[in-house]
Amino acid sequence: DAGITQSPRHKVTETGTPVTLRCHQTENHRYMYWYRQDPGHGLRLIHYSYGVKDTDKGEVSDGYSVSRSKTEDFLLTLESATSSQTSVYFCAIRDDRGWYFGPGTRLTVT
Amino acid sequence: QKEVEQNSGPLSVPEGAIASLNCTYSDRGSQSFFWYRQYSGKSPELIMFIYSNGDKEDGRFTAQLNKASQYVSLLIRDSQPSDSATYLCAAANYGGSQGNLIFGKGTKLSVKP
Repeated sequence: DAGITQSPRHKVTETGTPVTLRCHQTENHRYMYWYRQDPGHGLRLIHYSYGVKDTDKGEVSDGYSVSRSKTEDFLLTLESATSSQTSVYFCAIRDDRGWYFGPGTRLTVT
Repeated sequence: QKEVEQNSGPLSVPEGAIASLNCTYSDRGSQSFFWYRQYSGKSPELIMFIYSNGDKEDGRFTAQLNKASQYVSLLIRDSQPSDSATYLCAAANYGGSQGNLIFGKGTKLSVKP
């Protein structure tokens, strides 16, 4: 357990609405990541952060934005949710050994 | 395109047998390699990492790395029904300070009692 929590754990939302997912860590890790996992695609990187206010895009960043105003919190925002963003979203931290994942958020966009 | 390839399975082994999981990677700049176990509906759990050629053992798990062949494997000895899960192979390149972790799509393992 790397001290990572995600909220909400489940969410159903309608197409076109904004959605924010929260990742919270308790162990002061510098690097934080957002991934999505879809059948047939595996885990893909959306955005990552290498410090407070320092973020950058990953492989599948279109339609997503992130913010990190505090070391412990990394927020993922879907600006206008689409059905293609229905997925399971995992937050991760990285330490000297590797990447450790939070419990995930299952998001359904109807 | 940097890729990690795994056989999707399912791989079925009897209880007590050795399960052998394999993956290949395309990025020769990859420096560290990871095996994650993921139970259905749960998050990936890091079980092994390796960065040097050769074998690394931890309990019933042995990770093997051959950088020349761009090949990584995971052996699970004395397989138990509780080992039934999807196993994800991942390769990391630390060229950028943030690190870039590329995942395979996973191999589903089923251990039959």
